[in-house]
Order: sequence, then C-alpha cells, then structure tokens
Amino acid sequence: AQTVTQSQPEMSVQEAETVTLSCTYDTSESDYYLFWYKQPPSRQMILVIRQEAYKQQNATENRFSVNFQKAAKSFSLKISDSQLGDAAMYFCAYRSAVHAAGNKLTFGGGTRVLVKP
Amino acid sequence: DGGITQSPKYLFRKEGQNVTLSCEQNLNHDAMYWYRQDPGQGLRLIYYSQIVNDFQKGDIAEGYSVSREKKESFPLTVTSAQKNPTAFYLCASRDPGREQYFGPGTRLTVT
Repeated sequence: AQTVTQSQPEMSVQEAETVTLSCTYDTSESDYYLFWYKQPPSRQMILVIRQEAYKQQNATENRFSVNFQKAAKSFSLKISDSQLGDAAMYFCAYRSAVHAAGNKLTFGGGTRVLVKP
Repeated sequence: DGGITQSPKYLFRKEGQNVTLSCEQNLNHDAMYWYRQDPGQGLRLIYYSQIVNDFQKGDIAEGYSVSREKKESFPLTVTSAQKNPTAFYLCASRDPGREQYFGPGTRLTVT
C-alpha cells in the first residue's frame, strides 16, 4: 500500500515571500500521479497542481511549483510571492496510474500555512 | 451550474442511530468517492464506485455502507457500528482523464 507523509504540521510565511512544503511518499509502482490540494477555511478541497511521475519536468501553475525527485520519492510544493489568500491546509496526495486501482487518492496528514501581512 | 451537492452542511445525531449523508452530482461523472476527515488529519477513503450498481471498500469501510442505484447519487450511511462517527465527510466525483472534483462536505456530530 502507498503512504504519503507530510512532516511539517505548520509553516509560517511573510506576505510576498516564498515557502516550501515537504512531502514524501512510498510506493512500489513506477507510474503514478502526485498532487497538492489546498483546503481553505471553507473546507472545500481545491486542486493546486498535478505531477505525472513519468514526466521529468516539474509542474508549474502560476505562483505554485513543485520539485519532484522520483528516486528520492520526494514531492515538495513551493509557493512564491505568498498572498493572504494562500493561507490554508495543504495536502499532498498520490494516485496510482493503474486503472484497476480505482483512481483512489491517498493523502498525507496536511501542512497548515499561515501568511503574515 | 454543474457541481456536487452535499446536504446538509451540518448534521447532528444521537449515538446508536444510523444516519445517511447525501451526495448528488450533475457532472455526469461515472466515478464517485467518499472520504472521511478528522481534525488536523488528511482524508481517508471510505468507499468508491466506478459505475452504477457497483462499489468497492476503501481503507476505512467498517461501520459504513453505500449504494449506487443512480449515476448522479452516491449516499453514505453511517451505521451504529461505526465507533467514532463524528467527522467531516467529503464526497468527490471524477470523469475519465480528469481529477477528482470535491463537494463542500458534511460535518457530522454524534453525541
């Protein structure tokens, strides 16, 4: 079974600065997807960014970028130019690329991001 | 507007009672999922369904049951056998080739 670990319960960042969230995972599969989801106080889960394991290029979405290290099974999220609206819980998640696995998501425990004005 | 509806937003029940959480989607998605979230923790998969009239257990299915009689509906019943039912419950659906889309969630409190 796959596991996802987020070792930072909480991170604080000054507005306009950069913060990096860590995520490690364990899997025996070679093809999979990794995600970062944002959960603001409304508790709605919002997909921030997606990485396909077979792609070496790191995914980028505006101010959000990832550092995907497949051999190390590491998947960190960098938030640049942090804004007050970035304050939320952030979850790292894994999904197998095997269709028979049901496209289920396995989540880490989350990291709370605080943004200071 | 297309989306997922979970009702009610807050639900209160007495211990020993079964309770059914509603999840309806008008996105025409084949697959639907139920997750549980406890305070300060990530989501854990309870049940999922990839097509109508078929569903599979997730990682924490004990004490829960589901049905999938219609494509747009995937209700979750929390039975009295679930030892710690108080939690936040999230429903999601998915179209092939796309990622899971989440509903707004239901906060269940059992006393």
